[in-house]
Amino acid sequence: EDQVTQSPEALRLQEGESSSLNCSYTVSGLRGLFWYRQDPGKGPEFLFTLYSAGEEKEKERLKATLTKKESFLHITAPKPEDSATYLCAVQASNSGYALNFGKGTSLLVTP
Amino acid sequence: NAGVTQTPKFQVLKTGQSMTLQCAQDMNHEYMSWYRQDPGMGLRLIHYSVGAGITDQGEVPNGYNVSRSTTEDFPLRLLSAAPSQTSVYFCASSYSTGIEKLFFGSGTQLSVL
Repeated sequence: EDQVTQSPEALRLQEGESSSLNCSYTVSGLRGLFWYRQDPGKGPEFLFTLYSAGEEKEKERLKATLTKKESFLHITAPKPEDSATYLCAVQASNSGYALNFGKGTSLLVTP
Repeated sequence: NAGVTQTPKFQVLKTGQSMTLQCAQDMNHEYMSWYRQDPGMGLRLIHYSVGAGITDQGEVPNGYNVSRSTTEDFPLRLLSAAPSQTSVYFCASSYSTGIEKLFFGSGTQLSVL
């Protein structure tokens, strides 16, 4: 059965304190792995798509990486505005159009 | 460019009542879908559509109906609301049915008493 597990569930960082969020997955044939950001009371907002092991993508203070078993979202020198819930989702070759979402990591960055 | 628009934002129903959650997108997207988000769980797919006139079930379709008469609109109908349907509902769309990023609406928070 396809599984997506995110850790930690919650993370509190000081402004400027870099860290990483983890998304481990077990799927039958990965078509794509997605990262989304969700602010309270809003819908998820797309950040990155990764397709194959070894791939990396960057956007401002965020960098996403992918291996055959997991993905990391690295946050460098975070700011309070980076506070949000970060969601990981995978699209598997045997799941049609469905995305399998993890439960998310709630990130709080304090000044 | 409005993107994906959902209405209403909040709704309270009594058990057994029916209602329709509205979703519209103005991006000419082929693929539209409905997810529900519950505390401690990931987003789960309810129904989806790959084009006008074509719909299919997702992971948790029971108690919900959908239709897609136009490219723009994809309403979700609750036939007889149950407390287990208390959740936040998100409509999402993408340009095609490939490995595409989803654009999400702002959600509808539904409480069934």
